[in-house]
Amino acid sequence: EVQLVESGGGLIQPGGSLRLSCAASGFIVRNDYMTWVRQAPGKGLEWVSVIYVAGSTYYVDSVKGRFTISRDNSKNTLYLQMNSLRAEDTAIYYCARVTYGGVTRGYYFDYWGQGTLVTVSS
Amino acid sequence: DIQMTQSPSSVSASVGDTVTITCRASQGITTWLAWYQQRPGRAPKLLIYAASSLQSGVPSRFSGGGSGTDFTLTISSLQPEDFATYYCQQSDSFPSLTFGGGTRVEIK
Repeated sequence: EVQLVESGGGLIQPGGSLRLSCAASGFIVRNDYMTWVRQAPGKGLEWVSVIYVAGSTYYVDSVKGRFTISRDNSKNTLYLQMNSLRAEDTAIYYCARVTYGGVTRGYYFDYWGQGTLVTVSS
Repeated sequence: DIQMTQSPSSVSASVGDTVTITCRASQGITTWLAWYQQRPGRAPKLLIYAASSLQSGVPSRFSGGGSGTDFTLTISSLQPEDFATYYCQQSDSFPSLTFGGGTRVEIK
């Protein structure tokens, strides 16, 4: 059974750093695209970052230069290092597995974790 | 960036009703569109991918359609557990991915 479990969220002051973890089971993280999606309180979903199988990484413009996505293959775990945090980064952060369905199907998030709440406030 | 616009933003319906949600892309995305359901306090759940393909385990009362810029999600015979928020998501501009603003389906 595929399972994703996030951890590492909490209350942090503006300008601070936090590292989120996403422990995966039932599949191998290094063999799939993996992504982070966030949801501000009472708002919609926002894609944050993705890591390719080959290791390439991409980010939404609002977090470029501040957030870093990575993985530890030995622990089958995905990470999101968040630096220089701002109030607008306050959100529930979800990790998800990305599946590529092929040229006629595109990419979609087929498994999600339960999310971890990050609150940036003084 | 490709913008995704959902309508309506909310809809009130009764158990047994049929509800249709629309998602419009700012440019053509072929059929690279997925739909997700999010119940309150829960993580999103994949319902449909490739515009019309039903994810394994999802009830057949959910159906999707469309291509290019205009897409629909239809829920037939609404059940109590279907009252939730629904999001569309495009992947034509992968790795940059965008979601629609969401449609809340409420109990009338």
